[in-house]
Amino acid sequence: AQKVTQAQTEISVVEKEDVTLDCVYETRDTTYYLFWYKQPPSGELVFLIRRNSFDEQNEISGRYSWNFQKSTSSFNFTITASQVVDSAVYFCALNGQNFVFGPGTRLSVLP
Amino acid sequence: ETGVTQTPRHLVMGMTNKKSLKCEQHLGHNAMYWYKQSAKKPLELMFVYNFKEQTENNSVPSRFSPECPNSSHLFLHLHTLQPEDSALYLCASSQDRPAAGGLSSGNTIYFGEGSWLTVV
Repeated sequence: AQKVTQAQTEISVVEKEDVTLDCVYETRDTTYYLFWYKQPPSGELVFLIRRNSFDEQNEISGRYSWNFQKSTSSFNFTITASQVVDSAVYFCALNGQNFVFGPGTRLSVLP
Repeated sequence: ETGVTQTPRHLVMGMTNKKSLKCEQHLGHNAMYWYKQSAKKPLELMFVYNFKEQTENNSVPSRFSPECPNSSHLFLHLHTLQPEDSALYLCASSQDRPAAGGLSSGNTIYFGEGSWLTVV
């Protein structure tokens, strides 16, 4: 069975703070893919990143960075110097046998 | 402009009405999906179409009826809905969808902006 856990239901930070969103997954597949999506209040899920299970190299894209740790089955997402526009619900997802989404973490960045 | 467009963005309907949600993808994908997102609940996969054929129906009530005339278009026909059906309905697409038990293709799923449905 596959499962994605995002233990943080809601997080509030003040603008310019760094924030890390946690994602822990479970799968028996040896080949799988991990994703992060952002859902602003408008509703659309915006694709942010895709990683495959064989590539544990961390990735940085502007203020966003991702830490993939296969040993702990985690794929955490860090936003550096957060901004109000980062306020959204963030979903972690796993694509193995099926595409499974986590429950999401609501991030509020306060001015 | 998003690669997956949904209309209408907002819909209010009575319980006896019949309406349809429309989705179109401009990404050349072969798999299309309907998801339901209710307040305080996880994303729920409703239907999957792969190369125009319905491959998954996750125990969705018959008052929701999907239609996929071609790989670019997906409809969700709604009739005699209940107030608890009020939710955000998200259409999505991906290159394809592996058969059950097959290896993951790792294809990214791209979403539309969603249709906010209110049943009164």
